[in-house]
Amino acid sequence: AQSVTQLDSHVPVFEEAPVELRCNYSSSVSVYLFWYVQYPNQGLQLLLKYLSGSTLVKGINGFEAEFNKSQTSFHLRKPSVHISDTAEYFCAVSLSGNMLTFGGGTRLMVKP
Amino acid sequence: SAVISQKPSRDICQRGTSLTIQCQVDSQVTMMFWYRQQPGQSLTLIATANQGSEATYESGFVIDKFPISRPNLTFSTLTVSNMSPEDSSIYLCSVDEGWPSGNTIYFGEGSWLTVV
Repeated sequence: AQSVTQLDSHVPVFEEAPVELRCNYSSSVSVYLFWYVQYPNQGLQLLLKYLSGSTLVKGINGFEAEFNKSQTSFHLRKPSVHISDTAEYFCAVSLSGNMLTFGGGTRLMVKP
Repeated sequence: SAVISQKPSRDICQRGTSLTIQCQVDSQVTMMFWYRQQPGQSLTLIATANQGSEATYESGFVIDKFPISRPNLTFSTLTVSNMSPEDSSIYLCSVDEGWPSGNTIYFGEGSWLTVV
């Protein structure tokens, strides 16, 4: 079975600073990887996904993530955050591309 | 991307009652899924809703508590039966958009249930 660990439950950062949200996964087979964002009182929105090919994946809202197979990681990064990026971010993996196993989530708090 | 609509968006329910949540997709999809997000927690898969057959439930979830229907390729319902305060959660419908974008999972806005 696969599992996902998001190493930081809360990440406070000042506006316009860079941020990295860490995600490590465990699986004995190849997986598909996803990052979702949940704004306060809203559902989940897909930020980006890695299915195959280039290990650097660019998503919406200026986010990107890099798949590192040797370190089984899929960290999410943004070079300059905005107040509007304050949200909960979830890393997820899938064996088949549809049923997702989620990490515990990271709450990004952007301060002015 | 697929547009997913859930009803109700929010509800306050009395313990012991049941509530049915509807999920409507604007295109035909093969795979539909139901997730639960308890307060302050991550998401957990409840079941996969299969068109024309019984839903497939994950460990810890049973059909008697969470009956699911999937009458066609654009619609599914999840019923939360005999509710208790522990069932207070966000229930989210998701779909695999499939070919040609492939392996992309989209979520509805969720149904926020509070059981009192």
